[in-house]
Amino acid sequence: LAKTTQPISMDSYEGQEVNITCSHNNIATNDYITWYQQFPSQGPRFIIQGYKTKVTNEVASLFIPADRKSSTLSLPRVSLSDTAVYYCLVGGSMMRNRDDKIIFGKGTRLHILP
Amino acid sequence: DTAVSQTPKYLVTQMGNDKSIKCEQNLGHDTMYWYKQDSKKFLKIMFSYNNKELIINETVPNRFSPKSPDKAHLNLHINSLELGDSAVYFCASSQQFREQYFGPGTRLTVT
Repeated sequence: LAKTTQPISMDSYEGQEVNITCSHNNIATNDYITWYQQFPSQGPRFIIQGYKTKVTNEVASLFIPADRKSSTLSLPRVSLSDTAVYYCLVGGSMMRNRDDKIIFGKGTRLHILP
Repeated sequence: DTAVSQTPKYLVTQMGNDKSIKCEQNLGHDTMYWYKQDSKKFLKIMFSYNNKELIINETVPNRFSPKSPDKAHLNLHINSLELGDSAVYFCASSQQFREQYFGPGTRLTVT
């Protein structure tokens, strides 16, 4: 099982770049790494997904080293509205049997200060 | 248009009752999920259906039974509700286990 470990919480200031790292030492060959954002009283929202190296979209970047045992979500120039819980998820994109798992990390509570 | 919808949004009921939560997605996805988020905010998958076939069935009490009448719907029926079932239940959908789109959640309170 590719369990994940993230910092429980982080604080940062508006305008800063925030990097949240997730460890997943037992990641399997067919596992993708996906990050979600969750605001209070809402369902998680997809941010970014990657398999290796670097992925960038309009809201974030995802850095994955060659050994894929960790990944770093990078949020550029955060604002107060980025205060949320961020989950790292490791799982296969083509699961076909019940041995494949979807395991959310415990999440990182990111608090952006003015 | 709401992509993934759940009903009801809030559900308050007594121990021992049977209740259902409905989920519908209009994204054309072939995979749907049910998650439970407890008071400590841990998000745990319960079930996953791919093309109406049960793919993931985590260790949950057999009082919980998912039902998928078609690819756009995945309902969750809970028998003999217990206090420990109180949580927020999220439905989600995806195409081929890629990024998931979550519903707004159903807050279940068992008294």
